[in-house]
Amino acid sequence: NAGVTQTPKFQVLKTGQSMTLQCAQDMNHNSMYWYRQDPGMGLRLIYYSASEGTTDKGEVPNGYNVSRLNKREFSLRLESAAPSQTSVYFCASSDVPGTFNEKLFFGSGTQLSVL
Amino acid sequence: KQEVTQIPAALSVPEGENLVLNCSFTDSAIYNLQWFRQDPGKGLTSLLLIQSSQREQTSGRLNASLDKSSGRSTLYIAASQPGDSATYLCAVLDNNDMRFGAGTRLTVKP
Repeated sequence: NAGVTQTPKFQVLKTGQSMTLQCAQDMNHNSMYWYRQDPGMGLRLIYYSASEGTTDKGEVPNGYNVSRLNKREFSLRLESAAPSQTSVYFCASSDVPGTFNEKLFFGSGTQLSVL
Repeated sequence: KQEVTQIPAALSVPEGENLVLNCSFTDSAIYNLQWFRQDPGKGLTSLLLIQSSQREQTSGRLNASLDKSSGRSTLYIAASQPGDSATYLCAVLDNNDMRFGAGTRLTVKP
């Protein structure tokens, strides 16, 4: 029972490099999310996808792009990494979005350092 | 804009003690409130979910309460154990999205 799987777990980039963070879920959830977590701050939403083929900006979308490849996969791309994007990135999916019972399921995170 | 605050940022208690973690939020128009546990280097695991119409939820030694009118929630942990050491985050779901607090880092000393 894998749940939400993220790759890679760790990554070091130089300023200006690009990379894609991968996320896949096997729970047949429609909604998927990308968050970043910085020290002393709560998780902040970068982008989300309410269903296959749709994506929307969250609170902090600048410098990122996303692709909802299919129902299972939702990737996050940094086109030109900046030191301000050093963070821990979490992918999540939800079971019954927009309802009082909506619950998030998280991947184990990607720790990204941009030098 | 919904803001979620957790105080204290860190808490250390001896094993066996009962403890309360606090969460406050600024907009009472929420769908639900969730408490999560996060172990170092790991993702978040949902502990308890309280719908906006509910007052509390219990799971084992954990009890979460919700007072929407005052914008507060508490997570009560009974008979704490070293294995409870982790960061606990609360999150509120409203009409826009889910907003997280920064968490309380709990250390339970043997």
